[in-house]
Amino acid sequence: SQQGEEDPQALSIQEGENATMNCSYKTSINNLQWYRQNSGRGLVHLILIRSNEREKHSGRLRVTLDTSKKSSSLLITASRAADTASYFCATDEGTYKYIFGTGTRLKVLA
Amino acid sequence: GAVVSQHPSRVICKSGTSVKIECRSLDFQATTMFWYRQFPKKSLMLMATSNEGSKATYEQGVEKDKFLINHASLTLSTLTVTSAHPEDSSFYICSARNGGRYGYTFGSGTRLTVV
Repeated sequence: SQQGEEDPQALSIQEGENATMNCSYKTSINNLQWYRQNSGRGLVHLILIRSNEREKHSGRLRVTLDTSKKSSSLLITASRAADTASYFCATDEGTYKYIFGTGTRLKVLA
Repeated sequence: GAVVSQHPSRVICKSGTSVKIECRSLDFQATTMFWYRQFPKKSLMLMATSNEGSKATYEQGVEKDKFLINHASLTLSTLTVTSAHPEDSSFYICSARNGGRYGYTFGSGTRLTVV
């Protein structure tokens, strides 16, 4: 399969809690991106981390990358009901086309 | 900046007809665009890479004659689903390389329902 794996597939948390999603991929990459998708809508870019970076922050988002383990994690701190969405990682293997992970469906309960 | 417009957002068509989906880069030129397909509650599957002025490159398992891609200008790529069947019903999303900080911009998607 061309896709990476994300876990968990679904996550349900209370508002204010932190949400952590993991992404594993299969080949060497140039960079990895995280996207958000609200139900039935297009994708919104969240953050990009390059292969020589280990951690990046953007607001309440924290992304880590471990190229030795071919994995990345997305942490959303102090979650809000509006964070309810599906989250996907996507990897650039150097061919300029992104391969998406299987996604995590996050539900934040108010 | 770096906006990609995808049209239509929703379309319902009868089996056997063809449907065209447009992907436009509004404020930048895109020599390369990508078409993805997404089944309900599933991830995005890359269908093809659309190259301006040349033939599209299709991923393994994607029928070229079924999903016709044309990238005739630097701002427009089209995906035509020919002789549509109910199993073609899906969410189709395009993206374009914008050369900017994040490199890629996605359209808002087209929900195709074939009845």
